[in-house]
Amino acid sequence: SQTIHQWPATLVQPVGSPLSLECTVEGTSNPNLYWYRQAAGRGLQLLFYSVGIGQISSEVPQNLSASRPQDRQFILSSKKLLLSDSGFYLCAWAAVSYTFGSGTRLTVV
Amino acid sequence: AQSVTQLDSQVPVFEEAPVELRCNYSSSVSVYLFWYVQYPNQGLQLLLKYLSGSTLVKGINGFEAEFNKSQTSFHLRKPSVHISDTAEYFCAVRGTGGGNKLTFGTGTQLKVEL
Repeated sequence: SQTIHQWPATLVQPVGSPLSLECTVEGTSNPNLYWYRQAAGRGLQLLFYSVGIGQISSEVPQNLSASRPQDRQFILSSKKLLLSDSGFYLCAWAAVSYTFGSGTRLTVV
Repeated sequence: AQSVTQLDSQVPVFEEAPVELRCNYSSSVSVYLFWYVQYPNQGLQLLLKYLSGSTLVKGINGFEAEFNKSQTSFHLRKPSVHISDTAEYFCAVRGTGGGNKLTFGTGTQLKVEL
């Protein structure tokens, strides 16, 4: 069966520091992968999606970037975090339905 | 493009009472519809989905939803809620074509009280 792993679960980072969140999928090949952000009290906003290695599409301009160095690995990064980057970040892979990871709670202080 | 409207941001209900969480969507193409549940500080879990066929869809934890194409709605229902159903519920839609992305509503917080 397919599983999705996301880490770390929580992260507290100072403003201006770098960020790297990792997501890996097992049990499937060439999945479509997604990064969503959920700000406090708001819905889910699609940040990036990828249909293959090295193929990244950005949905909104922001301080973040994404990379897909391997088929089942999806990384969310930032060179310098802003306070507004705080939120709950969710990785997902999709066939018809989307399956989500357990999320990373990022607090920028 | 698709959009989803969840009219109720919060729904309080007493335990063992029935509940309906409303969802309306907009799309120019055929759609798949989903309901997800999110417990505090956790990821999203799929409750149920409508892909095709019967418009009444049954999911996990006793929830069901009915697809109404004429009213562009996909309301979620449960005949008797439990304290453990307290969570946030998201309605989502995607086009049936390949590569279509999932669009979420803003969520409904269901609070079950004794």
